[in-house]
Amino acid sequence: ETGVTQSPTHLIKTRGQQVTLRCSSQSGHNTVSWYQQALGQGPQFIFQYYREEENGRGNFPPRFSGLQFPNYSSELNVNALELDDSALYLCASSLGTGPQNEQFFGPGTRLTVL
Amino acid sequence: LAKTTQPISMDSYEGQEVNITCSHNNIATNDYITWYQQFPSQGPRFIIQGYKTKVTNEVASLFIPADRKSSTLSLPRVSLSDTAVYYCLVGDWTGGFKTIFGAGTRLFVKA
Repeated sequence: ETGVTQSPTHLIKTRGQQVTLRCSSQSGHNTVSWYQQALGQGPQFIFQYYREEENGRGNFPPRFSGLQFPNYSSELNVNALELDDSALYLCASSLGTGPQNEQFFGPGTRLTVL
Repeated sequence: LAKTTQPISMDSYEGQEVNITCSHNNIATNDYITWYQQFPSQGPRFIIQGYKTKVTNEVASLFIPADRKSSTLSLPRVSLSDTAVYYCLVGDWTGGFKTIFGAGTRLFVKA
């Protein structure tokens, strides 16, 4: 148990819809990173939030957006869902930015787009 | 652009030592190398991190040569429960910060 929780556990949407995924970070952690993990592949970095500001972004289109709240919890929003968005979405919290900070991952949200 | 390369899969037997190597030719001067373990339907879990030379903790050792273009995760005396996917992770500051996971190495430990 890492103390990082994600909701919902599973989600089924249809193409074109919008989805919001939620993440509660470990107590005291001010940084949250989001990843997309397609079946059989490694996690792909979507973006990172530090103290409510986006700190870095991977190669994902603008329809992937996020928020971080004053309590450091975070949301990932995906608009205009496509079939290829079907994946496990992971969030990870850490004490600071940069890969030198150990990331604590949640169990993920499995998104299926039909 | 930073990139990591790992073997796709490895097999081992219980009690053996397993070494998994990751190539990261474009690693930044100020970057660390981190290894994670992932079981099916779970998020990755931190194993070990290093900058150079050798690092050891209670579960693994990490060897990093002087040029830092590769690293080797060493798992001593593996057990069946070590069957998992192992990822190395580096950072990338090209066009803004991001972290780069490799494709992962699937380790299968047999009895």
